[in-house]
Amino acid sequence: QVQLVESGGGLVKPGGSLRISCTASGFRFTDYYLTWIRQAPGKGLEWLSYISGSGISKHYADSVKGRFTISRDNANNSLYLQMNSLRVEDTAVYYCARGVAGIYGNDYWGQGTLVTVSS
Amino acid sequence: DIQMTQSPSSVSASVGDTVTITCQASQDISSWLVWYQHKPGKAPVLLIYTASTLQSGVPSRFSGSGSGTDFTLTISSVQPEDFATYYCQQADSFPYSFGQGTKLEIK
Repeated sequence: QVQLVESGGGLVKPGGSLRISCTASGFRFTDYYLTWIRQAPGKGLEWLSYISGSGISKHYADSVKGRFTISRDNANNSLYLQMNSLRVEDTAVYYCARGVAGIYGNDYWGQGTLVTVSS
Repeated sequence: DIQMTQSPSSVSASVGDTVTITCQASQDISSWLVWYQHKPGKAPVLLIYTASTLQSGVPSRFSGSGSGTDFTLTISSVQPEDFATYYCQQADSFPYSFGQGTKLEIK
């Protein structure tokens, strides 16, 4: 069955860096784009980043552009989000999700990993 | 960038009621609109894509309509398991964006 499992969340100080991962199984990895979406405490869902199946096409929300980098390792069915210059407002549960094409939505999501940015 | 605005921000309903949630895009997004359901501590669930196509496995009491800038999600005969927060998301152009969410609460 399709599974997406995030890992790597934790506590980091403002200005610090963290890399979170998403390991996929149960489907042909390269057939799907992957995306990161977050939910800050008490807030709604926020779209963050997209990467195509090949890894060539990438897009970011303005709030993280220049600070966060999305990447994928198709040989190991893994997705990553490198987060630099972290701010208190980046505190959130980070979800990875997949889709066959954006217009069809994200049909599977992980359970999320919590990133806390605090001094 | 495209802004998505949902209304209301919360709605109270009883089991069996019909509930309608609206979503407005800041510019024409054709039919590239997705709806999700999200419960606390769980992964969001895809309900509807291309504004009106029901995702496989989603109950038929959920329906979507609209095109251009104005969209609606309707839940007919609300069930206990439907109490959750609902989000629209535009998939017309990057960066994609969500509405602020509508919380469906028990009356």
